[in-house]
Amino acid sequence: GEDVEQSLFLSVREGDSSVINCTYTDSSSTYLYWYKQEPGAGLQLLTYIFSNMDMKQDQRLTVLLNKKDKHLSLRIADTQTGDSAIYFCAERDGGYNKLIFGAGTRLAVHP
Amino acid sequence: NAGVTQTPKFQVLKTGQSMTLQCAQDMNHNSMYWYRQDPGMGLRLIYYSASEGTTDKGEVPNGYNVSRLNKREFSLRLESAAPSQTSVYFCASRDQGAYEQYFGPGTRLTVT
Repeated sequence: GEDVEQSLFLSVREGDSSVINCTYTDSSSTYLYWYKQEPGAGLQLLTYIFSNMDMKQDQRLTVLLNKKDKHLSLRIADTQTGDSAIYFCAERDGGYNKLIFGAGTRLAVHP
Repeated sequence: NAGVTQTPKFQVLKTGQSMTLQCAQDMNHNSMYWYRQDPGMGLRLIYYSASEGTTDKGEVPNGYNVSRLNKREFSLRLESAAPSQTSVYFCASRDQGAYEQYFGPGTRLTVT
C-alpha cells in the first residue's frame, strides 16, 4: 500500500533555513501537500505541489519534488520561533482525494 | 464562516461506554472525512463521505460507525469504547474538485 515517511524531529537556530524531507511510494500521486499543525490545533495547509512540477516557491517556503526518487522537501527560509510546529507531508490517493499522511516532523526553533 | 467545527473538544470515557463525535462545516463542501491522530503515526483515515448519503471505510474503520446526517454534518460513533481508541480525532471537509481539505480543531478522547 501507499506509505509516506518523514524524519520525526528537526532542530534549527532562529534565522537559519529549515529543510524537512519526505519520501512517498505512490508514483501515481497527483498532488503532494505540506500541512502545519501548531500545538492543540488542527492541520493547516501550508502549500502543495502538482506532480508535474519540480519546484514551487511561496514567500519563505520552497517545495522541491524529485519524482524519480519519490522525494519531497520543504525549505523554510529565515526560520522564526513562530514556525515551531509539526509539519506533515501528505500524498493524494484516488478519486475521493483521500490523503495519506506521514508521521509528521516536529520542528523546534531555538534562539 | 466558522469553517469546520467539532464537539466536544475533550472527552474521557470508560471502557465499554458509547459516544458520538460531532462535526459540522459551513462551506457547502461535498466531501467529509474522519481521521485519528496517534503519536508517531500521522493521521489515519477512519471513514469518509464523498457526498451526502454516501459513506465509505478508510484505513482503520473497525470499532467506529458514521452518519452523514445532511450536507453539513458528519458524525462518528464509538459503540463500545476501548483503550485503543484513545486518540485525537479530526474531521475535515473538501469542496468538489478542490485540492485542499479543511480540518477542524480536533477532539481529544481518552478511554480508561
